[in-house]
Amino acid sequence: QVQLQESGPGLVKSSGTLSLTCAVPGGSIRNSNWWTWVRQPPGKGLEWIGEMLHSGSTNYNPSLKSRVTISVDRSKNQLSLKLTSVTAADTAVYYCAQTGDYAFDIWGQGTMVTVSS
Amino acid sequence: EIVLTQSPDFQSVTPKEKVTITCRASQSIDSSLHWYQQKPDQSPKLLIKFASQSISGVPSRFSGSGSGTDFTLTINSLEAEDAATYYCHQSSSLPLTFGQGTKVEIK
Repeated sequence: QVQLQESGPGLVKSSGTLSLTCAVPGGSIRNSNWWTWVRQPPGKGLEWIGEMLHSGSTNYNPSLKSRVTISVDRSKNQLSLKLTSVTAADTAVYYCAQTGDYAFDIWGQGTMVTVSS
Repeated sequence: EIVLTQSPDFQSVTPKEKVTITCRASQSIDSSLHWYQQKPDQSPKLLIKFASQSISGVPSRFSGSGSGTDFTLTINSLEAEDAATYYCHQSSSLPLTFGQGTKVEIK
């Protein structure tokens, strides 16, 4: 059973860079699925950040595209997210998810990131 | 960008009642609509994919219908454990988008 585990700093300074990783124990990042990042500000709804295929193809939300990079480290079997020039508006729970048949069928537990001024 | 609008935003329901949540897309998305359940302090969980396809392990009281721009998630005979926020999501075109969520409370 594929599991996803997000990790990274819980606190990032304003104007800095948010960096998170998503490990895939029990599965392989090399499979044919897309791997996705979604975030959820406190008390608010879900926002799609972007996705990556293991081959390197990526799609990003235009609202974040200039600041986001999603990458895959095949040797570590993990997915990464980098978000630059963060502000308080980037404070959220960040989830990684596996896209299976176009739906997000497996989710990580999420990791809370707070942007401090 | 395809906008998904859910209604209602909030619903307070008695156990065993039937719950209906709608999701309207700003343009046709065929059947590329999926439903998720998110309980407090948990990750979202996939309930229904492609508007009406059931997911293994999800109770049969959850069902979906619709195509084009109008979709419905139905919970037959609501149980206390169904208290959650429900989201729709479209995979028809980029950027992928979600509805704003519908919170279901148990009376």
